[in-house]
Amino acid sequence: GAGVSQSPSNKVTEKGKDVELRCDPISGHTALYWYRQSLGQGLEFLIYFQGNSAPDKSGLPSDRFSAERTGGSVSTLTIQRTQQEDSAVYLCASSPYRTAGNTIYFGEGSWLTVV
Amino acid sequence: GENVEQHPSTLSVQEGDSAVIKCTYSDSASNYFPWYKQELGKRPQLIIDIRSNVGEKKDQRIAVTLNKTAKHFSLHITETQPEDSAVYFCAASLNDYKLSFGAGTTVTVRA
Repeated sequence: GAGVSQSPSNKVTEKGKDVELRCDPISGHTALYWYRQSLGQGLEFLIYFQGNSAPDKSGLPSDRFSAERTGGSVSTLTIQRTQQEDSAVYLCASSPYRTAGNTIYFGEGSWLTVV
Repeated sequence: GENVEQHPSTLSVQEGDSAVIKCTYSDSASNYFPWYKQELGKRPQLIIDIRSNVGEKKDQRIAVTLNKTAKHFSLHITETQPEDSAVYFCAASLNDYKLSFGAGTTVTVRA
């Protein structure tokens, strides 16, 4: 079936504006992750959703960042009052969450540029 | 939390030679160690993974080794080809949850 789908693929926004990034995970995958990748850097964990459990928000860098997942499927990452240091690729990933063998699949990412 | 270090940050090899990337991790409870390949402008894609109950795993030209005592694991690519040029990331996690990634290794295969 289809892979992890993210939108928009590219977003240029002015400093101080809010942005929303959307992720549509692979159908049937109960686990969903958001990672951030700054230019030339590794992948920084932001937030994790698993089924109906409370999300793990331990990676969110500030209270300007929030995420929700509606109906256990689509997720939205919101960045309020964007700053230039928020410029990065925001990668969503999903996995089926079995007790073993959980391959994590990434989307193509949303490239955010704050000017 | 888990801390993963990856070396080298860049690696240039002659086509046909081998490439080795090494990672260390800090949390002895981690039991899942995947490797991802990311081509320029593309998504990271899983190329191989290993779990803590085995010491080595091979898939054609790539292999991964794990030393749990020393808390390090390595990726080996043999007979490198130009299409192996990419950024490679190692990662570690407990029970496949919340992968902690290394900083990445940019591999360039010279023709």
